[in-house]
Amino acid sequence: AQSVAQPEDQVNVAEGNPLTVKCTYSVSGNPYLFWYVQYPNRGLQFLLKYITGDNLVKGSYGFEAEFNKSQTSFHLKKPSALVSDSALYFCALVNQAGTALIFGKGTTLSVSS
Amino acid sequence: EAQVTQNPRYLITVTGKKLTVTCSQNMNHEYMSWYRQDPGLGLRQIYYSMNVEVTDKGDVPEGYKVSRKEKRNFPLILESPSPNQTSLYFCASSLQGNSPLHFGNGTRLTVT
Repeated sequence: AQSVAQPEDQVNVAEGNPLTVKCTYSVSGNPYLFWYVQYPNRGLQFLLKYITGDNLVKGSYGFEAEFNKSQTSFHLKKPSALVSDSALYFCALVNQAGTALIFGKGTTLSVSS
Repeated sequence: EAQVTQNPRYLITVTGKKLTVTCSQNMNHEYMSWYRQDPGLGLRQIYYSMNVEVTDKGDVPEGYKVSRKEKRNFPLILESPSPNQTSLYFCASSLQGNSPLHFGNGTRLTVT
């Protein structure tokens, strides 16, 4: 069965500190993985994707994600958090048919000044 | 500007009254999809379309219909809405099923 888990409902960090939002996945075969961000009253915005290749993927707004096949993880990271990074973050996996994204439940990131 | 446009943004209706949520994209994308977002559940796919006249069920299709008569439009139809369809709905499009999705701004539906 394919699934995505985001083990933390909320992550709190201080501005300027590094942040990590965790994601683990389950799929047979090679995963296609995405991170999206949702700001209040807006649709989801694409941040970055992993298809194949380098395990460290760079994306929009200074975010990056580390793919770890042995741990089946795809954690989102940023070296220095901004208050404006506060939002709801979703990890997603393409299903094996290539017809849908399977989303995690989301993690609320709160960055304090 | 490349975008996915959904209308309306907010909709309050009563049980059983048919409604349509429109979705249009201007990026010439082949793939379009509808998701619903519920607290604690993330997003779940309702229906998707790989191309014009080709639609198929997602994970939660009960109570919904869709059509894809033109490439740019993918309306979501609720023939007889019920309170358990109260949710936040998103339309999305992409070049193909495993490409990054472009999302609309959402439609918040309340069924009383």
